[in-house]
Amino acid sequence: LAKTTQPISMDSYEGQEVNITCSHNNIATNDYITWYQQFPSQGPRFIIQGYKTKVTNEVASLFIPADRKSSTLSLPRVSLSDTAVYYCLVGDKQGNTPLVFGKGTRLSVIA
Amino acid sequence: EAGVVQSPRYKIIEKKQPVAFWCNPISGHNTLYWYLQNLGQGPELLIRYENEEAVDDSQLPKDRFSAERLKGVDSTLKIQPAELGDSAVYLCASSLRPRGSTGELFFGEGSRLTVL
Repeated sequence: LAKTTQPISMDSYEGQEVNITCSHNNIATNDYITWYQQFPSQGPRFIIQGYKTKVTNEVASLFIPADRKSSTLSLPRVSLSDTAVYYCLVGDKQGNTPLVFGKGTRLSVIA
Repeated sequence: EAGVVQSPRYKIIEKKQPVAFWCNPISGHNTLYWYLQNLGQGPELLIRYENEEAVDDSQLPKDRFSAERLKGVDSTLKIQPAELGDSAVYLCASSLRPRGSTGELFFGEGSRLTVL
């Protein structure tokens, strides 16, 4: 199982761009990189998924270098409501390898 | 469209008592997961169903935990007897996994168990 390593916590001021990097040195050829967001007292929520290069949606961008051993979730102009735990996971789309949640990165946005 | 529904949201029991959690996945989702989440930790997979078949239950403590997914829709997770260390949030998730999909997991709000 490909393991991931993320910073335990990060702080940011409102309006700043936040980049959270995840290491996954043992990522397999068929694995995708997926990020989830979790607010207190709620289940995790899918944010973005990618395989290589760059993916962007209305919430975030995901940057993946050519070697795919790491990825960076970029949140543009964060607000207080972006305070949450962010999880990086790797696995194939078909779910043949179970997705493993680590401890995630606790992002605190300060006014 | 309704999301994943779990009940109860909160449950307080004394140790050695039984407890059951219920999950109704998103309509049409063939895959259902039960996760356990301790405070400050990420969710940990307990069991995964493909339709009514448990395809991954390697992390389910089978001496006290049991699960079922009759007719491949709703699922129940049971603990009997409960221990103090079982206090946690039990999350249910579902997904639709045809080839080419994102395999996105949709989580319920969870059932918070407190064992006294």
